[in-house]
Formats: sequence, structure tokens, C-alpha cells
Amino acid sequence: NAGVMQNPRHLVRRRGQEARLRCSPMKGHSHVYWYRQLPEEGLKFMVYLQKENIIDESGMPKERFSAEFPKEGPSILRIQQVVRGDSAAYFCASSPVGVEQYFGPGTRLTVT
Amino acid sequence: GQQVMQIPQYQHVQEGEDFTTYCNSSTTLSNIQWYKQRPGGHPVFLIQLVKSGEVKKQKRLTFQFGEAKKNSSLHITATQTTDVGTYFCAERGGADGLTFGKGTHLIIQP
Repeated sequence: NAGVMQNPRHLVRRRGQEARLRCSPMKGHSHVYWYRQLPEEGLKFMVYLQKENIIDESGMPKERFSAEFPKEGPSILRIQQVVRGDSAAYFCASSPVGVEQYFGPGTRLTVT
Repeated sequence: GQQVMQIPQYQHVQEGEDFTTYCNSSTTLSNIQWYKQRPGGHPVFLIQLVKSGEVKKQKRLTFQFGEAKKNSSLHITATQTTDVGTYFCAERGGADGLTFGKGTHLIIQP
């Protein structure tokens, strides 16, 4: 059973470009979470999704950020018009029902 | 919002020494989870504590949840180089998103 998959692993974008981060949860997991981690910091919750539904987006910045988890295909975290402050590691986690979350390897976003 | 404070931020130990990291909250925690993140890696779930005063052991790791459910600790006995990494505590919230502490970086000197 493959783990949580994220791609790309590393992404470089210039200021003003769009970044699309993808996450495929573990097989059988219907809950997906996105977190952001700045260097030397803990992870900050961004959004919690189930198939076709956003359950909790209280940690998501109000502008430029959006997330989706379509019926078919991976979950996508989209950042429009990236700025230097968006540089971070973005982790996706999945869970079957609750309790432990299984994290993917992360996408390291660098904005130049 | 709920904040989980974790100390120390960094801990240097000699291989074979013990290590403890502490997690504190000003409000009652419904649960506490512990994760380990190796350098350059991703968080890996270690354990969840739910009951007041709960103590769980995993080989050399001992996890405790305070009686008032406002603090927790992770203790590693006789550290090994494979224990290197950052240890995070986290509370799973009502909507299941995790609120993480800032972590304790464990550095082991051989």
C-alpha cells in the first residue's frame, strides 16, 4: 500500500507566478489535510478536505490560496501570485477516519 | 486560538544520555499526539494520549499525559543516533486539523 504521495517534491517559482501542489492520499483514506512548515517552525494547519468538500479552511490565508479534493484525482493546493513569504515546505496528510495522520514527503516551494 | 508550547527548542545530548521534551497548554487538551520528523523528512506519527494521567511506552520512549490534561512529555532513555530529529506534540482539534507545537530539535553527539 503506497503511502501519501506528493508532487512535485521541489518547486521553484518566480514572484507573481502560480504554484500547484498535488497530493494523493493513501488508498482508502478519504480525509486530506494540508499543512505549511516554515524553517525551524512547527507545522501550521491550513485546510481539511474530504472528497469534493472543504470541511475546515480556518488556517488558509484568505487571499491567493485555494484547495480542492475532486471526486477523481489528487487533492490540489493552489497558490496564486506567489510572494517570497510563501516559501516553505507544504505537507499533505491523509487519514482514514481520524486519530493518526499519515504525512507525505512534502513539497518544498521556493519563491525567487 | 489554542496554542501548544513546547520546550526546549533545542537539546544537545551525548549518545546514551536521556532526553525529555515537554508540551504545555494554558487550556485543557482533548488529546495529545506526538510526531517525529527526521532532518529533511516528514512527520511520522508516534502515539496519541487521551486519558488524564495516561502513560504509554514504546521501547525506549515513554509518553505521559498530565493529570489536568494541560501538559505532556516524551522521554527517551539512552539515546541513540537514530533518535536524531525534531519531536512535535500536537492536539487534534474538533475538525481534526492538528495544532502543532514548535518542536524540540534533538541533536546527539557521539
